[in-house]
Parts: sequence; C-alpha cells; structure tokens
Amino acid sequence: EVQLVESGGGLVQPGGSLRLSCAASGFTFSSYSMNWVRQAPGKGLEWVSYISSSSSTIYYADSVKGRFTISRDNAKNSLYLQMNSLRAEDTAVYYCARGGKAAPGDLWGRGTLVTVSS
Amino acid sequence: DIVMTQTPLSLSVTPGQPASISCKSSQSLLHSDGKTYLYWYLQKPGQPPQLLIYEVSNRFSGVPDRFSGSGSGTDFTLKISRVEAEDVGVYYCMQSIQLPLTFGPGTKVDIK
Repeated sequence: EVQLVESGGGLVQPGGSLRLSCAASGFTFSSYSMNWVRQAPGKGLEWVSYISSSSSTIYYADSVKGRFTISRDNAKNSLYLQMNSLRAEDTAVYYCARGGKAAPGDLWGRGTLVTVSS
Repeated sequence: DIVMTQTPLSLSVTPGQPASISCKSSQSLLHSDGKTYLYWYLQKPGQPPQLLIYEVSNRFSGVPDRFSGSGSGTDFTLKISRVEAEDVGVYYCMQSIQLPLTFGPGTKVDIK
C-alpha cells in the first residue's frame, strides 16, 4: 500500500526540541521530493519545508528558518524534521506530503500532533 | 508571499445541487513554462488533505468527474456539479509558482 506515516509528535516545553519522522512505503521514495505542512488546531494549512529527492535543494518557511531542519534517508525510506527552539505557535499537526509530478502534495500522511506548552 | 483568498468561506449545499468556490491569488500563477500552478485540495473531517485538482483543471487519479476546475492568471474556480454527502469538508486552493507555497483560508462545505 502506498502510504506515509508520521511519528515523533508529543508535548514539549517552550524552547525544547522534537524530531519528527515520516516513513514511506509502497513507492520509490528516493524518486520524490517531500514537504512538511502543518495545521494549527482549528486553522488552515501552512507549508513548512521542502527537500528534493537527493537532498540537494532545501527550503524553509520564514517562520521556522534557523530553528527547523529537514532531512531524509533514502536508504531507510524516511523523512525527518528536527525542530529546535520550539514556540507555542509551533503547536500543530505536522503532515508529510509527497511532491509528485502532479502536485507538491499528491500523497499525505495522517499527521502527528506537536504541542508546545509549559 | 503570494496571498490566496477564497470565497465563500462556508457553503451549505443540498445534495444533488451544484456548488462553486472561488480562489484568487495576489499574483499571476502562470509560469513561463506555460503551466499554471494552482491546486485544489479537500480535507474531509478528521483526515489529511487530499489532492483533487492540479494545474487548474486536471483531476487527480480517482477524483470523480463531478469535480472540475477552471480559471487563469489570478482567478480560479472549483465546481462540484452535484454535491454528495461524501463531499463535506474544507476545500483549499494552493499555489506553487513561488515559495513559500501558500494556501487559501479554506472553504467549509456542509450538507443542508
């Protein structure tokens, strides 16, 4: 089955760190770019970061630049998001989304909830 | 950043009736390669977003033909020819011609 499964979310204090993972299966992960998109509770969608298939190109939203780091391990079919210096406004469900030929998000995981609170 | 706006923000539709959602971008989404980088997603309750339409008017794999997209430049429309109960959720337009990728605020569609 073609799918993406996120993990690693949880409750963290302001200023803390968390590492999210996204496990891909059912397709050739190394052929696709990937994105992280987040959704604060009851709010809309916000793009967070992009990584090309070979990791040669990486982009971040201004809101997370310098605090978050996207990476991937094509041998393990996995995408990561290292989140440091977390703030309350980073509280959201974080989705990984595949960058297919059709669209930047042609396949999405179910998301993992990150809550930043003291 | 490119700002995406949607109207209406909510829509209540009788099953079998049509529905239409407008999306406008603050800049043209027409690229020099000839493609227009506008997409439509549906987020059903409790689910992640799913791709409906790519590059303005192309239905993604498995999307029913009651969904159609149109428009050009900065003005776009998603139409549902006959709304069904399974179409409830929040519809988002999104652009990818320029980073950061940006989404519209969403249009919540429910059934009367």
